[in-house]
Amino acid sequence: NAGVTQTPKFQVLKTGQSMTLQCAQDMNHEYMSWYRQDPGMGLRLIHYSVGAGITDQGEVPNGYNVSRSTTEDFPLRLLSAAPSQTSVYFCASSLGVSDQPQHFGDGTRLSIL
Amino acid sequence: GNSVTQMEGPVTLSEEAFLTINCTYTATGYPSLFWYVQYPGEGLQLLLKATKADDKGSNKGFEATYRKETTSFHLEKGSVQVSDSAVYFCALGFRAGTALIFGKGTTLSVSS
Repeated sequence: NAGVTQTPKFQVLKTGQSMTLQCAQDMNHEYMSWYRQDPGMGLRLIHYSVGAGITDQGEVPNGYNVSRSTTEDFPLRLLSAAPSQTSVYFCASSLGVSDQPQHFGDGTRLSIL
Repeated sequence: GNSVTQMEGPVTLSEEAFLTINCTYTATGYPSLFWYVQYPGEGLQLLLKATKADDKGSNKGFEATYRKETTSFHLEKGSVQVSDSAVYFCALGFRAGTALIFGKGTTLSVSS
C-alpha cells in the first residue's frame, strides 16, 4: 500500500520557470490538499479538493494552480516560479474533510533561484 | 477566527525525561484535535487524536487530553527516547471544515 506518493522529492528551478508537483494516492480518498511548510510558519494550506472536479483555494493560493480530474491524482502547478515559493510542499489526503486524520506524502523540496 | 498556539521550541531533553508540549486553541464550535509528528526528511504522521471534550488520545506512550474548559490539548510522555526527536504539530479540524489548522510546530531534541 503506497499511501500518498509525491514526485519529485527535490527540484531546483530558475525564476520564471514553470513546473508541476505530482501527488497520487491509492486509498480512494475524496479529500486531498496541498500545504507548504516554511521555517517558523508551520503548514499553510495552498489548495484543496473535496472530490474529482472540485477544487478550492486555501490560505496562500497565489502563484499556484490545481486540478482534480481523477480521485487518485492532485497535481500542483507553479505557473511562473518566484524565489518566495522556495519551500517544502506536502500533499495530504483523507476519507473525510478536516476532522479526519490526514495522510501525508514525504514532501517535495523546491528551491527557486 | 480559529487558531492553534504551541509552545515555541526547541525543547531539549535527556533520555527518560518527562515531556510536555503545550497546545492551546481558539475555535468557534467543537473541533477535533490532533497531534502530528514529523521525523527528519519525512512527511507528517498522525500521532493521536481526540474528538470531544475530556477524550484522551494516546499512542506510543504519548498522551493528550481534550480540555474544553482551558481550550488545551497538551502532549505528554513519561519517558522520552532519542528516537522521539522530531517536530510535533498540534492541529484542529471541523467536520464541515475545509482543512486542518496547524500550530507552528515544536522541535524536540532528545540526547542520550
